[in-house]
Amino acid sequence: GAVVSQHPSRVICKSGTSVKIECRSLDFQATTMFWYRQFPKKSLMLMATSNEGSKATYEQGVEKDKFLINHASLTLSTLTVTSAHPEDSSFYICSATGGDGTDTQYFGPGTRLTVL
Amino acid sequence: QQQVKQSPQSLIVQKGGIPIINCAYENTAFDYFPWYQQFPGKGPALLIAIRPDVSEKKEGRFTISFNKSAKQFSLHIMDSQPGDSATYFCAASIRGNYQLIWGAGTKLIIKP
Repeated sequence: GAVVSQHPSRVICKSGTSVKIECRSLDFQATTMFWYRQFPKKSLMLMATSNEGSKATYEQGVEKDKFLINHASLTLSTLTVTSAHPEDSSFYICSATGGDGTDTQYFGPGTRLTVL
Repeated sequence: QQQVKQSPQSLIVQKGGIPIINCAYENTAFDYFPWYQQFPGKGPALLIAIRPDVSEKKEGRFTISFNKSAKQFSLHIMDSQPGDSATYFCAASIRGNYQLIWGAGTKLIIKP
């Protein structure tokens, strides 16, 4: 149980385009979802926290107009990287809680974004 | 005070050995301490987690030791195998807060 999926797993796009990444909790209702960014050989950096039906809470330094987060249902959250640039290239990972009544975060497999 | 300090940064152990990864924290309000395992190109996977009301928790070959007075916790991997080679992250959070404070990670290599 407590499986989180992400789609796509890899995406390559041209500079200036927008990319949408989906995060789904497959077998539980996620009360809270998180979006992280991870640079090579580094720890996870929290970008934002979202609860179903409400606006996401962004961490300091994360541009909310660039990284649009929508948590439309208890099983789906999306991250849209708008007007992507090469410096946005990174590994994006989502996680979700609510699967077992604890604080445990269950992570998706990640999405590798490359902006040319 | 929000930091979680993890060591070592990297670790090489022979197959069958017992790698030990350590984490230390300052914030006494932390009450949930998970360990995650991450393989290259994949998301982290929860290995084992502990709360401060116990000093040790074991799941299979993985054991967490927790020292509340020293504000330290560690991961031990028994009978380590090459398939355990991965990056391990410790983390901490406050009950109900959900936000994880991450250690810097330890790259573990188990040599055959």
